[in-house]
Amino acid sequence: QSALTQPASVSGSPGQSITISCIGTSSDIGDYDYVSWYRQYPGKAPKLMIFDVTIRPSGVSNRFSGSKSGNTASLTISGLQAEDEADYYCSSYTGSNTLVFGTGTKVTVL
Amino acid sequence: QVQLVQSGAEVKKPGASVKVSCKASGYTFTGYYMHWVRQAPGQGLEWMGWFNPNSGATDYAQQFQGRVTMTRDTSISTAYMELSRLRSDDTAVYYCARDTAALVQYVENWGQGTLVTVSS
Repeated sequence: QSALTQPASVSGSPGQSITISCIGTSSDIGDYDYVSWYRQYPGKAPKLMIFDVTIRPSGVSNRFSGSKSGNTASLTISGLQAEDEADYYCSSYTGSNTLVFGTGTKVTVL
Repeated sequence: QVQLVQSGAEVKKPGASVKVSCKASGYTFTGYYMHWVRQAPGQGLEWMGWFNPNSGATDYAQQFQGRVTMTRDTSISTAYMELSRLRSDDTAVYYCARDTAALVQYVENWGQGTLVTVSS
């Protein structure tokens, strides 16, 4: 199972919106709605930000939103803030009853 | 609240084995699948496998089959991941990570991570 493909880096100015893509296949993202997104600060464990493609866990800002079209999932961060600077990973359930993670995207707030 | 507390950092020589523990609290240990995920320095997250704490069933990622063993001790709500025949490229932070359900869906909670360094 190959890793899901994410852009290595995305940047934006405070207040702007950015979108991170996550490209999979018909065996994972394309066939299941179990896409999740994680934020990771340096030296820390990842934190769940979105699950089941679009759902935010309790306590996660509504500036974070998820979507999916075909084999591609996306995470949008609106009203970009300095605290959003981190690494972001997507993940998907696969048809082999396993999980696969994305390659990761470094978000920089200019 | 859900807590996953992992054992401390390890330094191992190539060819040795390492066993990382993950003590769970705040929920019914046998009610949720557990995953192990690793992250090499400066690299992304890599899924290693899952196991069912209730039945002991496992499924490992192909690249780790034959070298990884995931077990548990339900009496102390603790999961274990043992990786054998260590190589330098096994140097990474290893995370235990609880799924949201009694099946494979997505990781909801993470341990703090255990750094395993493989060096001669």
